[in-house]
Amino acid sequence: QSALTQPRSVSGSPGQSVTISCTGTSSDVGAYNYVSWYQQHPGKAPKLIIFDVTRRPSGVPDRFSGSKSGNTASLTISGLQAEDEADYYCCSYAGTYSFIFGGGTKLTVL
Amino acid sequence: QVQLVQSGAEVKEPGASVKVSCKASGYTFTTHEIIWVRQATGQGLEWMGWLNTNSGYTNFAQKFQGRVTMTRDTSISTAYMELTSLRSEDTAVYYCARNAEGLRYWGQGTLVTVSS
Repeated sequence: QSALTQPRSVSGSPGQSVTISCTGTSSDVGAYNYVSWYQQHPGKAPKLIIFDVTRRPSGVPDRFSGSKSGNTASLTISGLQAEDEADYYCCSYAGTYSFIFGGGTKLTVL
Repeated sequence: QVQLVQSGAEVKEPGASVKVSCKASGYTFTTHEIIWVRQATGQGLEWMGWLNTNSGYTNFAQKFQGRVTMTRDTSISTAYMELTSLRSEDTAVYYCARNAEGLRYWGQGTLVTVSS
């Protein structure tokens, strides 16, 4: 099973908004409302920032938001800050006790 | 507080096996699945498998079928991932994570280096 498709890189200036897409299929992203997003800084473990497509864990700023349309999920980061520069991964439940990750997107804050 | 603490780094020769542990604390171990994920240097996250810590049921990514085993010891709240027939491409950081409303809690990662 191939990884979910994410852009390899995105960039934005402080204060701007960026959106990262995550495209799967009707067997994963399109089939379940179990898409999550992870932020990973170099040398660190991933950090959950969005789960169940749109929900934010406590402590995650509301600058981070998630959505889904069909087979594509999206993460939007508004009011970009320098500390948002990191790698971002989407992940979807794919049925029968399995997950699939996206290939990852490097966010650069200019 | 919820914590997942993994075993230390390993260096293995090609063809050997490695067993990584993941000790949970701060919650009832059998109420949430443990997911194993790996990340090769400079690469993305890769889902390896799913362990139901209550029943012991497992499901693995197809590419690891036949080479991976995931078990648990509920008496010490610890999950294990064993990978056999190691090759250089298995060099990676291996993570365990708790599955509950996303993968909210992660272990610190275990670096497994496969080298002769």
